[in-house]
Amino acid sequence: GDSVTQMEGPVTLSEEAFLTINCTYTATGYPSLFWYVQYPGEGLQLLLKATKADDKGSNKGFEATYRKETTSFHLEKGSVQVSDSAVYFCALNNQGGKLIFGQGTELSVKP
Amino acid sequence: EAGVVQSPRYKIIEKKQPVAFWCNPISGHNTLYWYLQNLGQGPELLIRYENEEAVDDSQLPKDRFSAERLKGVDSTLKIQPAELGDSAVYLCASSLSLAGGRNEQFFGPGTRLTVL
Repeated sequence: GDSVTQMEGPVTLSEEAFLTINCTYTATGYPSLFWYVQYPGEGLQLLLKATKADDKGSNKGFEATYRKETTSFHLEKGSVQVSDSAVYFCALNNQGGKLIFGQGTELSVKP
Repeated sequence: EAGVVQSPRYKIIEKKQPVAFWCNPISGHNTLYWYLQNLGQGPELLIRYENEEAVDDSQLPKDRFSAERLKGVDSTLKIQPAELGDSAVYLCASSLSLAGGRNEQFFGPGTRLTVL
């Protein structure tokens, strides 16, 4: 069945460092891909999405490119801030509306 | 615009007791989802409603879990009786269905259940 695999956390970075969180997927067909973020004590928020191959999703300085050839959707940010500390989830939606999530990657940014 | 509302935010019960969670989706959203999130893991779908109809409940443990969405708006998820392993966060999400079903889902803050 469809699945999503993320790099394990926690990831600890200093402020203004470059961030990459790896995400790969297994799916039949052409899924839509998402990154969700969960701040402490809050619900999941959609960070960005891409609906077809080579699409780049971007929001709040974060970017991810839908790479069908490598079945990947890595999250990147050029300069992280303390306020970016959260848990990040990669997810896919293939058909029927069901989101399939990775296990989440905790990011901690130190000043 | 109000987001997805869930209550209660926290619930502590003893095992074998019943518990219920309530969700009010975003106004106009016809699709409602219940997800289970165990500690340190991503959410997993329990049940999906299109209006009043449960169209995907394959992951719902029907021996103890039940859900309803009367009038196609609010929804209630119930566990009876609760077990220790049910301790988790229960997330509700809603979306406006589009063709192909790959529509953006908006999540509520969740209900954190602790079973003692």
